[in-house]
Amino acid sequence: KNEVEQSPQNLTAQEGEFITINCSYSVGISALHWLQQHPGGGIVSLFMLSSGKKKHGRLIATINIQEKHSSLHITASHPRDSAVYICAVRLNTGNQFYFGTGTSLTVIP
Amino acid sequence: EPEVTQTPSHQVTQMGQEVILRCVPISNHLYFYWYRQILGQKVEFLVSFYNNEISEKSEIFDDQFSVERPDGSNFTLKIRSTKLEDSAMYFCATGGSPRRNSPLHFGNGTRLTVT
Repeated sequence: KNEVEQSPQNLTAQEGEFITINCSYSVGISALHWLQQHPGGGIVSLFMLSSGKKKHGRLIATINIQEKHSSLHITASHPRDSAVYICAVRLNTGNQFYFGTGTSLTVIP
Repeated sequence: EPEVTQTPSHQVTQMGQEVILRCVPISNHLYFYWYRQILGQKVEFLVSFYNNEISEKSEIFDDQFSVERPDGSNFTLKIRSTKLEDSAMYFCATGGSPRRNSPLHFGNGTRLTVT
């Protein structure tokens, strides 16, 4: 079973472009986590959301609980944004997170 | 900024051997997790640990696996009698109370290769 679906799987953008990565889930959740995984494998937390919208620098994350959907936006993309972006959800029924397969982003200079 | 520290960064072991992966959580975190990522696949939950006991575990976390916090600082994952399919990146994550929607903080991972 796959509780979390991300799209697109792969994304290539020109430097400066506005980027959107989508995450849909099929179950009731208490929180959604956007993470960034670097080529070396390390995972960094970007946002934790349970409602609404959060912004940090050039990154914006939104969530629509009714539609079971979240988006991660990157404004003025830069080659250093190249990474895998992962959506993970915590179900209402526990504390563990279920992870999506990630979106591999490449930003070309 | 405080970090979650994992050791070793790489571990190569022969099939059937036991390995212990170590994690030093962020000091004021009380919730600890182990996740694994097989090459090319998504991150999978193994186990969560709170108040010196397992709070949740996945189907993957069978009798081959165990966790403990032996000295109040290290949080360890032991894999007994390793199999080829245990080869993966193992991530430790720690966080504050889930009720407060505290984000997870991940270590850099231990890459385990079973030969």
